[in-house]
Amino acid sequence: KNEVEQSPQNLTAQEGEFITINCSYSVGISALHWLQQHPGGGIVSLFMLSSGKKKHGRLIATINIQEKHSSLHITASHPRDSAVYICAVPETSGSRLTFGEGTQLTVNP
Amino acid sequence: KAGVTQTPRYLIKTRGQQVTLSCSPISGHRSVSWYQQTPGQGLQFLFEYFSETQRNKGNFPGRFSGRQFSNSRSEMNVSTLELGDSALYLCASRGNPGQGYEQYFGPGTRLTVT
Repeated sequence: KNEVEQSPQNLTAQEGEFITINCSYSVGISALHWLQQHPGGGIVSLFMLSSGKKKHGRLIATINIQEKHSSLHITASHPRDSAVYICAVPETSGSRLTFGEGTQLTVNP
Repeated sequence: KAGVTQTPRYLIKTRGQQVTLSCSPISGHRSVSWYQQTPGQGLQFLFEYFSETQRNKGNFPGRFSGRQFSNSRSEMNVSTLELGDSALYLCASRGNPGQGYEQYFGPGTRLTVT
């Protein structure tokens, strides 16, 4: 069993749809990163959260520490949201990240 | 504030050669971590440096090494390159302990070994 599991692995949506990506983890401290990677591109940190919910524009991330589960939601999805979304959990020291396998999101116009 | 920068962005090397990649963290950040991303293995932690000392190391062979300078810039070196070392190498910087766990990633160096 992977230490950080994401679902789904692939997701295709129509523009405007509400999207949810899930992440469950069995390791790490009580915090989690959501990262975004466009094709051929580097990685952008979207959120780091250790409790509750964070919102940035159309993106919302939630975390349940007790259940070790987090979700990333995208409201009113747009083709420019097409990317790989990765969750990552830092170990106790805070620096070493363990990554999920990523969710490839494609939003069609 | 400038972000994390990595040089070079692209590199092509031949098997058996060695390569050095550079990472400059965000000004004021003293922690630099390196990661390797391959299609087969995904993202994997290589090592972390803080104040010129290696603090943590991933499960990679000794051909992978790194160092950090007094200005917090970091380099990683891969010797005796193998085809499987072809990957995107990312570095990330983090503030000082107590400033949170958020890491800021550079654009990466794409290494191709032929």
